[in-house]
Amino acid sequence: GAGVSQSPSNKVTEKGKDVELRCDPISGHTALYWYRQSLGQGLEFLIYFQGNSAPDKSGLPSDRFSAERTGGSVSTLTIQRTQQEDSAVYLCASSRDRGLFFGPGTRLTVL
Amino acid sequence: QKEVEQNSGPLSVPEGAIASLNCTYSDRGSQSFFWYRQYSGKSPELIMSIYSNGDKEDGRFTAQLNKASQYVSLLIRDSQPSDSATYLCAADLSGGYNKLIFGAGTRLAVHP
Repeated sequence: GAGVSQSPSNKVTEKGKDVELRCDPISGHTALYWYRQSLGQGLEFLIYFQGNSAPDKSGLPSDRFSAERTGGSVSTLTIQRTQQEDSAVYLCASSRDRGLFFGPGTRLTVL
Repeated sequence: QKEVEQNSGPLSVPEGAIASLNCTYSDRGSQSFFWYRQYSGKSPELIMSIYSNGDKEDGRFTAQLNKASQYVSLLIRDSQPSDSATYLCAADLSGGYNKLIFGAGTRLAVHP
């Protein structure tokens, strides 16, 4: 497909477990972003990649959150020792010029 | 704290009317502004971008930008029930790397 893809679409985990969320951006888009959206809340910026580098990771909420990008393409967001407040929809977006194009998101539920 | 503010709504308009959605932003250095539409349970979809003062029209949508007043608006003409969604205003406050700050969104309801 031509759009941003994310997997899994839904993830239910127990408190304290680690999770990995994957994003495959639009081909040719060098910039990649992670946002999260909690129930009834706005979009919260997490991290920005240009190529494989992350010049802005100012939105990561704690050191339990990390992300990497390889080959200038796929990115993985990892949350260690998940907490209930991590429950949200995690959205990945990519961009070539201006404006962001979002994937369908991963709905994370921490029990 | 750099912010983007929107009225949460709901904004209720009859089918065929003009819906007017408004947004203000705090950072005078912002250069790029965007409107996204988000249907319930779906991800945001880019519908309009605007970078210069004035109006920009695309089909039934018109975006308006007034940098002096730090104000952005979106007009939807001939509103349809299918336009019912949450509309998110976003500003690029990063100085060019697309780090968008989003408002909380305005919920629009178009009733037949």
